[in-house]
Amino acid sequence: GAGVSQTPSNKVTEKGKYVELRCDPISGHTALYWYRQSLGQGPEFLIYFQGTGAADDSGLPNDRFFAVRPEGSVSTLKIQRTERGDSAVYLCASSLGAGVAHALHFGNGTRLTVT
Amino acid sequence: EDQVTQSPEALRLQEGESSSLNCSYTVSGLRGLFWYRQDPGKGPEFLFTLYSAGEEKEKERLKATLTKKESFLHITAPKPEDSATYLCAVRTHTGRRALTFGSGTRLQVQP
Repeated sequence: GAGVSQTPSNKVTEKGKYVELRCDPISGHTALYWYRQSLGQGPEFLIYFQGTGAADDSGLPNDRFFAVRPEGSVSTLKIQRTERGDSAVYLCASSLGAGVAHALHFGNGTRLTVT
Repeated sequence: EDQVTQSPEALRLQEGESSSLNCSYTVSGLRGLFWYRQDPGKGPEFLFTLYSAGEEKEKERLKATLTKKESFLHITAPKPEDSATYLCAVRTHTGRRALTFGSGTRLQVQP
């Protein structure tokens, strides 16, 4: 079946602008995660959804970052007043459930460049 | 604070030259240790989950092992298509669902 889909694959924006990144998880997966990956580093946790609610947003770096999952499927990560330090690959992952036995399946990410 | 350290940062092997990648961790109660493979421009691809010391998992030329302080990913007779970055991640008993990742080992297998 289809994997996790992220759009756009690349996004270039100017400092101070607002951006939205979209994630379509695998059908039936209730858990959804956003991670951020900088060059040469491992993914860094941002936020986790179980169903429609954000169960853990402790990884969001500041209040410029916000994510929603209104119907328990597609999720959007929103970044306000972008800064050059926000440039990174934003990865979305989904899993069948939140248990440790449920492996995370990642999309190919959105590469965000803030100029 | 949970810490995951992978070594070496980069490894170059000749085709058929077996080796091991290391993932050492310091956590407050391990629930699971995960290995992922990441190709350039792609998201991480799940390989293994290990739950307790002494456990081993195998897939083709890869074997993952776990002790109380570290995990090894053994690569036997690697092929050029095994070239990728290998990421290790942990999940702990803190109740958080998030994985903590290491920085990865970039493996290059030359023909």
